[in-house]
Amino acid sequence: DAKTTQPNSMESNEEEPVHLPCNHSTISGTDYIHWYRQLPSQGPEYVIHGLTSNVNNRMASLAIAEDRKSSTLILHRATLRDAAVYYCILRDRQGAQKLVFGQGTRLTINP
Amino acid sequence: DTAVSQTPKYLVTQMGNDKSIKCEQNLGHDTMYWYKQDSKKFLKIMFSYNNKELIINETVPNRFSPKSPDKAHLNLHINSLELGDSAVYFCASSRLLGGSGKLFFGSGTQLSVL
Repeated sequence: DAKTTQPNSMESNEEEPVHLPCNHSTISGTDYIHWYRQLPSQGPEYVIHGLTSNVNNRMASLAIAEDRKSSTLILHRATLRDAAVYYCILRDRQGAQKLVFGQGTRLTINP
Repeated sequence: DTAVSQTPKYLVTQMGNDKSIKCEQNLGHDTMYWYKQDSKKFLKIMFSYNNKELIINETVPNRFSPKSPDKAHLNLHINSLELGDSAVYFCASSRLLGGSGKLFFGSGTQLSVL
């Protein structure tokens, strides 16, 4: 499975934008980039995914580098409820692929 | 309505016992999974079923046996429980096996083996 690398932790302030980076230098052409987050004492929750183009949804934006070797999850205005562990995961387009979780980035939001 | 529901939420038991965790999804998905999250918070896939057929079987002791009576259910039975089995177990489902398929997770079952 292609691997991703994320910072162990990040900190930001409430109502400010947050940029969570992810490196995936061994990404293949058929890998989708997925982001999930896990709030305390809850199961992981889907945030966003993309293949080549930048993506926006009501939760976040995903900016994908032109060479696809890195991506950034953007929370436009962080709230205290966004404090969670954020996972960047690669998932192949075809076949029975495992969703392999790394250690993720623990995001702390300061009031 | 909860999309992916697991029962029980907490399970405390003695070593050597046999226990089951149930999972049901009402999303109409074809694929279901079991994940284990250990004390270090790493999430590891254990099993994946697609249309009741076992697709992924990671290196899991054969004391763990998943059972899928239908597409909406994937139960996990654990025989001869050991201390190291203590963890949070998450069930998940997705419409697609790979690619853009989003996983929907249950809220987890915290298993404590004493």
